Amino acid sequence: GQNIDQPTEMTATEGAIVQINCTYQTSGFNGLFWYQQHAGEAPTFLSYNVLDGLEEKGRFSSFLSRSKGYSYLLLKELQMKDSASYLCAPMDSNYQLIWGAGTKLIIKP
Amino acid sequence: IAGITQAPTSQILAAGRRMTLRCTQDMRHNAMYWYRQDLGLGLRLIHYSNTAGTTGKGEVPDGYSVSRANTDDFPLTLASAVPSQTSVYFCASSEETGSSDTQYFGPGTRLTVL
Repeated sequence: GQNIDQPTEMTATEGAIVQINCTYQTSGFNGLFWYQQHAGEAPTFLSYNVLDGLEEKGRFSSFLSRSKGYSYLLLKELQMKDSASYLCAPMDSNYQLIWGAGTKLIIKP
Repeated sequence: IAGITQAPTSQILAAGRRMTLRCTQDMRHNAMYWYRQDLGLGLRLIHYSNTAGTTGKGEVPDGYSVSRANTDDFPLTLASAVPSQTSVYFCASSEETGSSDTQYFGPGTRLTVL
């Protein structure tokens, strides 16, 4: 079966760094997406990885290891507006996104 | 450019009633999707369309139907609503159905079936 595992909730301090992990099992693999979702809003695209390694985009970076079925999202210099849920979504062999339940990130001042 | 719009924003519906959720995009994207999002669960794909005139079933299609008469519109119909269809419904679109094609989401419709 297909399965996505990410922590339900994490807490971090403003200005700090946080790493949100995601492990996955899918039928085939065509890349992995990370989305951000603020409460009551739609998911918005953050990053896409298809090859192993780190992709950096400003304060956000995303890492992928295909052999381990593992990805993480790294958020630096945390701001209060980063309080949101972060959704890990690998794409399977049918080009369908398989969504994790998301990690709720709480930022404290 | 509005991107993707959905209507209504929210709706309370009596069980057994028919309801159509509307979705329109102005990005000329070929692929469109309907998801439902329930507390504690990931987004689940209901139906999708790779291009105008074609549709496919996702993970949880029962009780729902879709049509794709043109590129811009992708309505979702609940023929006879049941309480288990209470959820937040998101419509999304992408340029194509491919490995790097980012999905862009509408603002969602919050549906309550009593």
